[in-house]
Amino acid sequence: AQSVTQPDIHITVSEGASLELRCNYSYGATPYLFWYVQSPGQGLQLLLKYFSGDTLVQGIKGFEAEFKRSQSSFNLRKPSVHWSDAAEYFCAGSMDSNYQLIWGAGTKLIIKP
Amino acid sequence: NAGVTQTPKFRVLKTGQSMTLLCAQDMNHEYMYWYRQDPGMGLRLIHYSVGEGTTAKGEVPDGYNVSRLKKQNFLLGLESAAPSQTSVYFCASSYSTPRVTTGELFFGEGSRLTVL
Repeated sequence: AQSVTQPDIHITVSEGASLELRCNYSYGATPYLFWYVQSPGQGLQLLLKYFSGDTLVQGIKGFEAEFKRSQSSFNLRKPSVHWSDAAEYFCAGSMDSNYQLIWGAGTKLIIKP
Repeated sequence: NAGVTQTPKFRVLKTGQSMTLLCAQDMNHEYMYWYRQDPGMGLRLIHYSVGEGTTAKGEVPDGYNVSRLKKQNFLLGLESAAPSQTSVYFCASSYSTPRVTTGELFFGEGSRLTVL
């Protein structure tokens, strides 16, 4: 079955520390992969996407993600988090459908001062 | 620059009542989507539209109807609301399919619906 899994429901990191949010997918081929961020009370905003080519993709707000085919993963990273990064992060994949994205359940990022 | 606007932002309904959520976008996007967001489940696609006058079913279409009479508007209707439809509803639009570089989804701020 096609799926996108975010194993961590909550992650707490200290301000200034590095961050890695996990995303795994299940699909017979390479999907198109996305990370979106949802700030409290807001809609979702695209951080970055992977279609093909270079497996390390850069996004907005200092985020990057690395696609690893061998691990079926697309983990999101940031070297130093800021309090404004507190939000919920969603990984999504486009697989067979041209229009329907398959979404992970989200990871809520909490920043400790 | 308004982007994607949803109305209303909050609504409380009694079981069996009907209502319509309105989504309006000012970016001239062809594609529009209605999602629902429930805790621990991510987003699930209800219906979508690939252009004016077209609609199609998504992952969880039962109990909902949609219309896209004008390119900029996408309406989501609940004919007979049920408690299982308590959720946060998000509208999104995109210039093209998500599978191309111009397919970024732009989201509204959400509409919180409670069905008692």
